[in-house]
Amino acid sequence: DGGITQSPKYLFRKEGQNVTLSCEQNLNHDAMYWYRQDPGQGLRLIYYSQIVNDFQKGDIAEGYSVSREKKESFPLTVTSAQKNPTAFYLCASTREGYEQFFGPGTRLTVL
Amino acid sequence: GNSVTQMEGPVTLSEEAFLTINCTYTATGYPSLFWYVQYPGEGLQLLLKATKADDKGSNKGFEATYRKETTSFHLEKGSVQVSDSAVYFCALSRNQARTALIFGKGTTLSVSS
Repeated sequence: DGGITQSPKYLFRKEGQNVTLSCEQNLNHDAMYWYRQDPGQGLRLIYYSQIVNDFQKGDIAEGYSVSREKKESFPLTVTSAQKNPTAFYLCASTREGYEQFFGPGTRLTVL
Repeated sequence: GNSVTQMEGPVTLSEEAFLTINCTYTATGYPSLFWYVQYPGEGLQLLLKATKADDKGSNKGFEATYRKETTSFHLEKGSVQVSDSAVYFCALSRNQARTALIFGKGTTLSVSS
C-alpha cells in the first residue's frame, strides 16, 4: 500500500542533543512538508520542499533543519537551538493541487 | 495574509445529534478549502474538500459548502456517532500549488452514547 511512514512513533531526547525524525513516502509525490502540532495551536509549518534538492523555510523554521536528497525522503533534524522542541511532528506530501496526505506522526519529548 | 478561524471547542454531543463546526477564512485569490480529521495519536486524514465557490464537499455523512460571500466553510453532519469523536481541522491553500496549507486551531468533538 502507498503511504507515508514516520519513525519512530515516540522519541525522547536529552536537552542539548540533536535528533532526526524520519519521513518516507512511496506515493511518488513531488512536494513534502513538516508541521509541528502543539495542544490548542493547530498545525504550524516548519519546512517544505517542492522538488528534490530544494526546500524552503516555513513559519517556524528556527532551530530546525531538513534535507531532500531523494524524492521519497524528507528527514527533519531538531537541533539544540530549538528552545521548546517537545511536540507532535507531522510529515505530509502532495503531488499536484493542494490536497495533502499525512503520516502518523512522531511525538518528541525532551527530558 | 491568508488565515483560518474555527470555533473553539470542545464540542460535546449525544449520539444522533446534529453537528455544526464553524469555519471562516481570510484569503486573497481563490483558495481551495479542506476539512481534515485527526483521531487520537494519529496523523490527519482528509475528510472533504471544495475547490471553488458554491462547491459542496461531502464524505461519510459530513458536508461543507464553500461560501465566498460569507467567507465560510462550515462542517455539518445530520446525525453524529460515537466513532466521530476526534479533532477537526479546517484548512485552506496558499496561493501557489504545492505550498503548504494553512490550518485552523482545530475543534475537538466528543460524542457520547
